[in-house]
Amino acid sequence: QKEVEQNSGPLSVPEGAIASLNCTYSDRGSQSFFWYRQYSGKSPELIMFIYSNGDKEDGRFTAQLNKASQYVSLLIRDSQPSDSATYLCAAYGSSNTGKLIFGQGTTLQVKP
Amino acid sequence: EAGVTQSPTHLIKTRGQQATLRCSPISGHTSVYWYQQALGLGLQFLLWYDEGEERNRGNFPPRFSGRQFPNYSSELNVNALELEDSALYLCASSLGSAGLQTQYFGPGTRLLVL
Repeated sequence: QKEVEQNSGPLSVPEGAIASLNCTYSDRGSQSFFWYRQYSGKSPELIMFIYSNGDKEDGRFTAQLNKASQYVSLLIRDSQPSDSATYLCAAYGSSNTGKLIFGQGTTLQVKP
Repeated sequence: EAGVTQSPTHLIKTRGQQATLRCSPISGHTSVYWYQQALGLGLQFLLWYDEGEERNRGNFPPRFSGRQFPNYSSELNVNALELEDSALYLCASSLGSAGLQTQYFGPGTRLLVL
């Protein structure tokens, strides 16, 4: 079982729709979770982080964390073609190793 | 505020040579992390430096090494290059080393080994 798992996609949504990206993790002791966006050939760019159960909103983005289900999600409202990218879910493990464990990423395509 | 910077942006080497990659963290950040992203693969953790000390290394052979300087900048050295070392090498930095800090990535160095 991979430590952080994402569906590789591609996830295709029409412009203006809500895109829902999901991630599960195996280490029950993980406490902090991150969503990064990576355009092709570029480096990961932080979108959001979440530490507490529940929802966290920032503009068009909402991160959701459910520690009981070991599940993290990212919702993108009013999706734009410029949102087309690979979205990486990452988590720290339960011990302080400095290592962010990344999922393989979900490719999002927003069609005009 | 300037972000994480890395140099060079591209590097071409031949098998057996050595490569040196450089990273300057965000001002005020003391922790530097290195990751490898090979084509089609996820980000793999290489090294973590904080306050000049190596705190952790990932599952990579010893020919991957590095250091952190007193100004918190860092260098990654890859000796005896192999073809499979071709990848995007990403440096990230964070405030301090207290477990759960957000890591901010630089633009990366793309290494090609021929």
